[in-house]
Amino acid sequence: RKEVEQDPGPFNVPEGATVAFNCTYSNSASQSFFWYRQDCRKEPKLLMSVYSSGNEDGRFTAQLNRASQYISLLIRDSKLSDSATYLCVVNGPGRRALTFGSGTRLQVQP
Amino acid sequence: GAGVSQSPSNKVTEKGKDVELRCDPISGHTALYWYRQSLGQGLEFLIYFQGNSAPDKSGLPSDRFSAERTGGSVSTLTIQRTQQEDSAVYLCASSLALAGGSIQYFGAGTRLSVL
Repeated sequence: RKEVEQDPGPFNVPEGATVAFNCTYSNSASQSFFWYRQDCRKEPKLLMSVYSSGNEDGRFTAQLNRASQYISLLIRDSKLSDSATYLCVVNGPGRRALTFGSGTRLQVQP
Repeated sequence: GAGVSQSPSNKVTEKGKDVELRCDPISGHTALYWYRQSLGQGLEFLIYFQGNSAPDKSGLPSDRFSAERTGGSVSTLTIQRTQQEDSAVYLCASSLALAGGSIQYFGAGTRLSVL
């Protein structure tokens, strides 16, 4: 089993739609969680950290469910510019690097 | 510059040749990481440096791969006797501290093509 698993997609949604991605992780002791965004042929960039109580940044909402070991990302009012691959990232105790999921590709269509 | 800088941005080499990839982290960042990403795949951890501690080399795929970090700043990743399966984008990242929760900032990567 992969340490971080994501549905690869692609998710094809129209502009203005709401879309949600889930991610599961295997290390129950993991402490830090992030969503990164990666545009085609570009480096990953931090989208947002994920906090236990859930957090929102504009149109983006991240949730963490420790009991079920999954993380979610909700994007409201999708824009064309949201088209990218979204990487679920976990950093746990004893690990010296971030563990990246393979990413979920989102394509927002006009 | 303010970000992580990698060079070269692209490298084409012949099978069997050695290559060196360079990473210049954000000033003041004590942790430095190397990853690689094959086409359409996720990021694969290679090696990590933190201050003066021994590097974590647990992700290096073979003994053809090595890395060093001089003076706690610039790092070079060396691949000896390159193989076609080494073709990938090699990404470097740096962060302020090792502790969980440290955000990593990535360079634009070096796209390596082994012919």
